[in-house]
Amino acid sequence: NAGVTQTPKFQVLKTGQSMTLQCAQDMNHEYMSWYRQDPGMGLRLIHYSVGAGITDQGEVPNGYNVSRSTTEDFPLRLLSAAPSQTSVYFCASSPYRGTSKLFFGSGTQLSVL
Amino acid sequence: GQQLNQSPQSMFIQEGEDVSMNCTSSSIFNTWLWYKQDPGEGPVLLIALYKAGELTSNGRLTAQFGITRKDSFLNISASIPSDVGIYFCAAPIGSDGLTFGKGTHLIIQP
Repeated sequence: NAGVTQTPKFQVLKTGQSMTLQCAQDMNHEYMSWYRQDPGMGLRLIHYSVGAGITDQGEVPNGYNVSRSTTEDFPLRLLSAAPSQTSVYFCASSPYRGTSKLFFGSGTQLSVL
Repeated sequence: GQQLNQSPQSMFIQEGEDVSMNCTSSSIFNTWLWYKQDPGEGPVLLIALYKAGELTSNGRLTAQFGITRKDSFLNISASIPSDVGIYFCAAPIGSDGLTFGKGTHLIIQP
């Protein structure tokens, strides 16, 4: 009964370092997405995918890359971390594109020093 | 992006009180959603509204889709300690994701 699993839970990076935030879902959902949550800003869409091999940009894509090689996994890559990327990152999935019910993971808290 | 204006920003209430919060936008939406986020967790969908004027309940929660399609309201009756959290309104950005309000922090004093 895992749902959407995100790892790691916490991460501290130095400016310029790279890392990948992992997201996996076991519900066979077509649609997956990444959001960032900043204090007083709500959640903002970074990237999304409507199926394996298909990705697209959301509202705040700069500084992030994604890929979708399998239905289950949707990793988020920071190629050169910046302090402005300090945030809580949430992965979410839904059965198909256009549905309103997103299933969220429990988040990754990232600090960039 | 399309902005959802959520108010109030925070609420400090006594256990047992009723709660009201709302969300407005300059844009028209065909769907309004209300999510709740518990501390340290991701948001969870509470109520989805699909028709202007629609009033939908989920236990002690009641939400309404405004007639103008530019606003929505969420009410919680007889609040209990587990109602603590952040409540977000949200609406679809086309078919590609959701835009969220900035959230209403609900704090309940025993």
